[in-house]
Amino acid sequence: DTAVSQTPKYLVTQMGNDKSIKCEQNLGHDTMYWYKQDSKKFLKIMFSYNNKELIINETVPNRFSPKSPDKAHLNLHINSLELGDSAVYFCASSQGDRGTTGELFFGEGSRLTVL
Amino acid sequence: GDSVTQMEGPVTLSEEAFLTINCTYTATGYPSLFWYVQYPGEGLQLLLKATKADDKGSNKGFEATYRKETTSFHLEKGSVQVSDSAVYFCALTSDNKIIFGKGTRLHILP
Repeated sequence: DTAVSQTPKYLVTQMGNDKSIKCEQNLGHDTMYWYKQDSKKFLKIMFSYNNKELIINETVPNRFSPKSPDKAHLNLHINSLELGDSAVYFCASSQGDRGTTGELFFGEGSRLTVL
Repeated sequence: GDSVTQMEGPVTLSEEAFLTINCTYTATGYPSLFWYVQYPGEGLQLLLKATKADDKGSNKGFEATYRKETTSFHLEKGSVQVSDSAVYFCALTSDNKIIFGKGTRLHILP
């Protein structure tokens, strides 16, 4: 039973389209995250939610909008996709109130390719 | 701001060789330090951690010691295996989030 699951695993789309990636965790964690990993494997945090409340919002274009319907789900919607959005997007979760003690549990990643 | 610097890869070793991957950090407070590992096609998973100075984290034969005086957290393993081939990330806690280094790719040859 997968702890942090993301869908889809692969996404190929044209520039200008809108797409969503979904994430669910069954660990009972309070905090969820979206990270972006570029082609050189550099991993950068984008957003963090604690109990449906946005607590971290790094410098990310407005075209990226996270949504957390409940504490077990954190979805990422991207409008007007650009070539530079091509990356692997990782969802993660952690225990702890308003942040993390450091142990993140990651999903397998969603590879987005924008043509 | 807080940051993590780790050695550039790729690192290529033969099986049973000794491994060191260097990691140094810059932080204003007293962060917890971590090593995460990413196997091909998978997400990152926690390998080991240390929460205060002089703590040693260990797991699966890997070790790292939190050195406050040198602001370092180098990863070591005495005898690597082919199955250790992966990307290794050093990380620290900062303002309720985790900051990762750029990753070091490790190749182990049989």
